[in-house]
Amino acid sequence: KAGVTQTPRYLIKTRGQQVTLSCSPISGHRSVSWYQQTPGQGLQFLFEYFSETQRNKGNFPGRFSGRQFSNSRSEMNVSTLELGDSALYLCASSLGSLSYNEQFFGPGTRLTVL
Amino acid sequence: AQKITQTQPGMFVQEKEAVTLDCTYDTSDPSYGLFWYKQPSSGEMIFLIYQGSYDQQNATEGRYSLNFQKARKSANLVISASQLGDSAMYFCAMRELGGYQKVTFGTGTKLQVIP
Repeated sequence: KAGVTQTPRYLIKTRGQQVTLSCSPISGHRSVSWYQQTPGQGLQFLFEYFSETQRNKGNFPGRFSGRQFSNSRSEMNVSTLELGDSALYLCASSLGSLSYNEQFFGPGTRLTVL
Repeated sequence: AQKITQTQPGMFVQEKEAVTLDCTYDTSDPSYGLFWYKQPSSGEMIFLIYQGSYDQQNATEGRYSLNFQKARKSANLVISASQLGDSAMYFCAMRELGGYQKVTFGTGTKLQVIP
């Protein structure tokens, strides 16, 4: 069974631009979560989608948005990029959003904002 | 609100020795799940082990075991017979059952295995 895939793996953008990251979950998984990881802030939760509905949202500005499609694939978008948005963005999929559903992570997209 | 605390920013262990990574949590929900993940320098998070709040026995997966002490709200990861490939960041995480709760991660512990 294929794992979680994220595209692109690396991305370089300049301030003010926008970016879209893509995540394909494990087949059969309906929940997708996004995280931002930086050396200073650690792993921070962005949002979680289940069956195309946003179930949870972290404390990020409205520049960060996401969506999930009917095939469970998810995208996150960051508009008006800032230098501080440079980070590793991790996507995780799970069967559901219950307490016993372990998450499986993709390799991440490393975003650099210049 | 759920909270995870990992008090060891970094640890060293001799190859073939056992090591315990600490994790304490706080929650008011009686139903929750606890997870440990490994993140090598490559960046990908790897699921290691799961413990449910109602599980009677401590979880084990190969060389990984979870020392679950519910009354103390601790869920320490024990790695037996450390290998050089165990050098990585280790994250403890939790998700409550009530409502649509997110997964909360600790700040992680960097483990370095010394030959």
